[in-house]
Amino acid sequence: NAGVMQNPRHLVRRRGQEARLRCSPMKGHSHVYWYRQLPEEGLKFMVYLQKENIIDESGMPKERFSAEFPKEGPSILRIQQVVRGDSAAYFCASSLPAGNGEQYFGPGTRLTVT
Amino acid sequence: AQKVTQAQTEISVVEKEDVTLDCVYETRDTTYYLFWYKQPPSGELVFLIRRNSFDEQNEISGRYSWNFQKSTSSFNFTITASQVVDSAVYFCALTLLNFGNEKLTFGTGTRLTIIP
Repeated sequence: NAGVMQNPRHLVRRRGQEARLRCSPMKGHSHVYWYRQLPEEGLKFMVYLQKENIIDESGMPKERFSAEFPKEGPSILRIQQVVRGDSAAYFCASSLPAGNGEQYFGPGTRLTVT
Repeated sequence: AQKVTQAQTEISVVEKEDVTLDCVYETRDTTYYLFWYKQPPSGELVFLIRRNSFDEQNEISGRYSWNFQKSTSSFNFTITASQVVDSAVYFCALTLLNFGNEKLTFGTGTRLTIIP
């Protein structure tokens, strides 16, 4: 059973460009969480999605950021018009709706904005 | 709102010494899970342990042990006979299991360096 996959692993964008980060959850997992880790900091929750629904986006910046988890395909975190402050590692995690707190993390995408 | 505090930003110890990483949490909920993760220099997150709020038994796994004390809201992590491979950033985290929303609240991490 493959683990959580994220691609690309490294992404370089110039200021003003768009960044698309993909997360394929573990097989059978219907819940996805995105976290951001700024340099030298801990991980911060951004958004929680179930298939076709955003459940909690309380940690996501109101502008330029969006997320989706379609019925088919990976979850996408989209950052429009990136700025230097968006440079960070973005991790996704997936889980079953089991209620036991068990989340499986992907390897992360390192975004660098030049 | 919940909070996780890891007061030790950086710790350095000589190989084979024991080291304890502190974690203090805040929550008004009675049902929650606590976690420890390791982030080696390669950057991925490695799951170490999950403990629910109803289980205060200490746990030992090889050189690793965890001390969970609800009375002091602490969940400390001890590495015995440290090795160079233990060098990493360690994160403590909490989730409230709120209506199926299991988002994690992380501490700021402790950078552990084991000196050969």
